[in-house]
Order: sequence, then C-alpha cells, then structure tokens
Amino acid sequence: QKEVEQNSGPLSVPEGAIASLNCTYSDRGSQSFFWYRQYSGKSPELIMSIYSNGDKEDGRFTAQLNKASQYVSLLIRDSQPSDSATYLCAARGVSGGSYIPTFGRGTSLIVHP
Amino acid sequence: NAGVTQTPKFQVLKTGQSMTLQCAQDMNHNSMYWYRQDPGMGLRLIYYSASEGTTDKGEVPNGYNVSRLNKREFSLRLESAAPSQTSVYFCASSSRTGTVLNTGELFFGEGSRLTVL
Repeated sequence: QKEVEQNSGPLSVPEGAIASLNCTYSDRGSQSFFWYRQYSGKSPELIMSIYSNGDKEDGRFTAQLNKASQYVSLLIRDSQPSDSATYLCAARGVSGGSYIPTFGRGTSLIVHP
Repeated sequence: NAGVTQTPKFQVLKTGQSMTLQCAQDMNHNSMYWYRQDPGMGLRLIYYSASEGTTDKGEVPNGYNVSRLNKREFSLRLESAAPSQTSVYFCASSSRTGTVLNTGELFFGEGSRLTVL
C-alpha cells in the first residue's frame, strides 16, 4: 500500500515568516512529486512539482526532495495571509503503465497578520 | 479555457436514489479520475481511466460505477445512494506518456458536493 504522510496541522505562522511543510512517502518507486494548494471550498491546484533530488525554486516557493530519506518539503518564504490553505503532497511512480498520484491528507496552513 | 467541467455542482439525494456525475475535459488528456474528499481523509481515488476504453478501480470503488464515454467524458454513477456517500467529488484529468517524468500533473474540476439524506 503506497502511503504519503503529512502532518495535518494546522501550521500557524506570522505574516512574512517562512512556512515549512513536510511530507514522507512509502513507495521507493515514486519518482515524481507534487504540491497542490487547496483553498477552503475550492479544488486543488498545482503549485510545484519536483523530480530530482535537491531544491527547486519558483518565486516564493521552494520544493525540496530527498529520495534517500523519502522526504519532500515545501518552503513558502515571506508568507502572506493569502497563502492560508491546505497543502496536499502527492507522489507518483511510473510502474504499471498508469500514473496515479497518491495523495497525503494535507497540511492546513494559517498565516496570521 | 474550460479545463475540467463537472456537473452538477450541488446535489441532494435520498437514500436509495441514483444519480450520475458528469465530467468533461477539453485538454486532450488521456487519463481521467474520480476522487472523493471527506474531512480529514484527503483525496481518495474511486475509479480512473488511464485511456479511452479502459477503466479501473481505485481505493474506494464500492457503490460506484463509471463510464468513459469518449476521450473527453468520464461519468460517475451512484446506483443506490447511501449516506456514507455524502462527500465532495472531484474529477481530474492528466496527460499520460511513457517514461517521461515531468508529466502527471492533475487538473481538477470545481467539485460536486453531494449530500445523501
């Protein structure tokens, strides 16, 4: 059973701080990793994807991947109240011919002014 | 830019009634998915269709059926609704290629909120 684990939170950070969201996965065959943001009552939207060990930066967001430790993280710099949402981590392999991501349960982030 | 369109957005059913959730995508994606999302449970895969003409069970298929009508459309049917099926349902689609890693992003519809009394 493939599993993706996230701390449900809520993670509360002050405006302007760095928010650090973490995720671990069980399937060593996973090769692609995604972070989705989901506002309350809305659908998930992709904010970052990462495929190689190391860091990937996109604006205020940095995704970090460590395949040896089976660990993925998302850093949000200069956090804004508009970043308050649930962040879903997903992992996907390439076996079996189907590319079905497995999702974690999400971490709720609250950025307070 | 419609993306993934789901209908209806809201529905209230009585126990035992049937209904079909419709989903269509205009991105020429091969793969389509149906998820349900319950508080504290994250996204759970009900059924998926890796390509036109194929469907497979996901994590929680019991009580549901699906039809991949064509490349664009993937419907989810509840034959006899139960209160346990009260949930928010999301349809999603993605491109599907061979061994290219930088694919697999899911594009989600806006969701269908279903209440079964």
